[in-house]
Amino acid sequence: DAGITQSPRYKITETGRQVTLMCHQTWSHSYMFWYRQDLGHGLRLIYYSAAADITDKGEVPDGYVVSRSKTENFPLTLESATRSQTSVYFCASTLAATYEQYFGPGTRLTVT
Amino acid sequence: AQKITQTQPGMFVQEKEAVTLDCTYDTSDPSYGLFWYKQPSSGEMIFLIYQGSYDQQNATEGRYSLNFQKARKSANLVISASQLGDSAMYFCAMRELYNQGGKLIFGQGTELSVKP
Repeated sequence: DAGITQSPRYKITETGRQVTLMCHQTWSHSYMFWYRQDLGHGLRLIYYSAAADITDKGEVPDGYVVSRSKTENFPLTLESATRSQTSVYFCASTLAATYEQYFGPGTRLTVT
Repeated sequence: AQKITQTQPGMFVQEKEAVTLDCTYDTSDPSYGLFWYKQPSSGEMIFLIYQGSYDQQNATEGRYSLNFQKARKSANLVISASQLGDSAMYFCAMRELYNQGGKLIFGQGTELSVKP
């Protein structure tokens, strides 16, 4: 499919488990981002990447790990999930820093 | 530090009327961009409109316009002729253009309800 996709769309996991959320874009955009959306906080940046093999922390990076070996993929891993990481996670991409960001459909993650 | 403030948690508007959603921002960078996104109940984030800090005219996209007042650091979204389908969360966001890797800082959002 063209565009930006996320998988899974819904995930329930237990505290302490490792979870990986996938993000794939078909536009060859240089920049990719992970945000989390919580009630009362809007969207907050977790990590971002300016290109393959270049990643940097955002506002709320603790407990998350990212990698970007290929331009089109930007997986987000929760190494040991906690209840506070229950959230909706959005991946986004953009061609360049001056352009608008395109968002994936989101992944709703519940940690029990 | 960058900051985006949306002071209206919820707004109501009658169908076919215009509505203004407020957004103020704070940045020390002279080069920045301001965005509005719509999030309907289905959850996706939809880009609506963009305003650059050096743009001379207010941005417009169909029924959406951005009332950009640089001295006041405000970037209010105006929706004309509201439709039922405009009921959604609306987020204002800012990006400092030449650093920070293109990151967006979001406000907390305004929930708009359009009444028939």
